[in-house]
Amino acid sequence: DGGITQSPKYLFRKEGQNVTLSCEQNLNHDAMYWYRQDPGQGLRLIYYSQIVNDFQKGDIAEGYSVSREKKESFPLTVTSAQKNPTAFYLCASSIAGQGAPGANVLTFGAGSRLTVL
Amino acid sequence: DAKTTQPPSMDCAEGRAANLPCNHSTISGNEYVYWYRQIHSQGPQYIIHGLKNNETNEMASLIITEDRKSSTLILPHATLRDTAVYYCIVRGYNTDKLIFGTGTRLQVFP
Repeated sequence: DGGITQSPKYLFRKEGQNVTLSCEQNLNHDAMYWYRQDPGQGLRLIYYSQIVNDFQKGDIAEGYSVSREKKESFPLTVTSAQKNPTAFYLCASSIAGQGAPGANVLTFGAGSRLTVL
Repeated sequence: DAKTTQPPSMDCAEGRAANLPCNHSTISGNEYVYWYRQIHSQGPQYIIHGLKNNETNEMASLIITEDRKSSTLILPHATLRDTAVYYCIVRGYNTDKLIFGTGTRLQVFP
């Protein structure tokens, strides 16, 4: 079955360490997204990418970095510069980005829960 | 992107219709209305979207007012598994990102 796989599901990190969250999709989607969710809150956009080797900052990109070397993969690195990294991280993808509203339906992964000790 | 306003929480009896409202009074002509839901500790799930006509699929119906300033998501026969947070999102034609608010927490009770 096609879908989005996020790993790890749970991750613990010591302060000052970088950590990378994996996101892989086999849906042949062009666009991929990373969101952050804090308890009781909605989703906030971190980064998004419409095509390989291109990505844009979302609303809360500080302290995060991404790469898009392959269509299927969009890993997110939470750096030590992120002051409050404990959160639920969600990766999503869609068929197309700008200019295709009917096709811009997002498919989400199951999420990765990061806890800083 | 137009801002949306949703009630923070709603209750619904199992088997009854759940009607979730959304106000988007600043919506512009080329902006679509999308609905997603998120069951606790899972990723959001797409439900339905529309521009100006009412839409129906196997999950729900979407009713958009004629002036497009508000919409209602209808779950015709709510079940306990429909308990979730429901997000109403308005997205512009020339915008390539979805902005999620805090949504409506729907509690379906037996």
